[in-house]
Amino acid sequence: SQTIHQWPATLVQPVGSPLSLECTVEGTSNPNLYWYRQAAGRGLQLLFYSIGIDQISSEVPQNLSASRPQDRQFILSSKKLLLSDSGFYLCASTDQETQYFGPGTRLLVL
Amino acid sequence: GDSVTQMEGPVTLSEEAFLTINCTYTATGYPSLFWYVQYPGEGLQLLLKATKADDKGSNKGFEATYRKETTSFHLEKGSVQVSDSAVYFCALILASGSRLTFGEGTQLTVNP
Repeated sequence: SQTIHQWPATLVQPVGSPLSLECTVEGTSNPNLYWYRQAAGRGLQLLFYSIGIDQISSEVPQNLSASRPQDRQFILSSKKLLLSDSGFYLCASTDQETQYFGPGTRLLVL
Repeated sequence: GDSVTQMEGPVTLSEEAFLTINCTYTATGYPSLFWYVQYPGEGLQLLLKATKADDKGSNKGFEATYRKETTSFHLEKGSVQVSDSAVYFCALILASGSRLTFGEGTQLTVNP
């Protein structure tokens, strides 16, 4: 079975600072990869998904971007964070039709 | 478009009570259905799934049956424990799709 790693686990950043969150997957090859954001007490919002290296779809307009430099690495970035970027960021990977999630990164923008 | 509707929370139960969390869906094709659980401060874990009509998914005492006629996938447990306190998400994916569609989640609190 696959294992999904995310880091950092927790991050506190000032408004306007850059962001880089990393996700790596073990135990599978050529997975679909996903970034979700979860605001406090709310459901999941799909931000990006990728079906292969350099193949990334954006679901919502925002100041975030995603990159997939390697088959099992997915990076979420921002050049300038906003207060509204605070939340719990989850990376997910598919095994056939089932999605598996990483432990998440809690981001607080002050 | 495809959608998942869950019963609104929060749901508060006493230990050993019977649990039902309703989930209905709308899909243009024949989806596979999932329940995920999120414990406080953690990511989502797959709880159970069903891939075709009348399939029953089960895990850790939880069950859900894929009902095509009522487009439902209700989650049940006969006797909840305090450790079951979490947020539960219902989700679907189409056979030809690459993205899950999630419900909004239902917060469950079980008191001793």
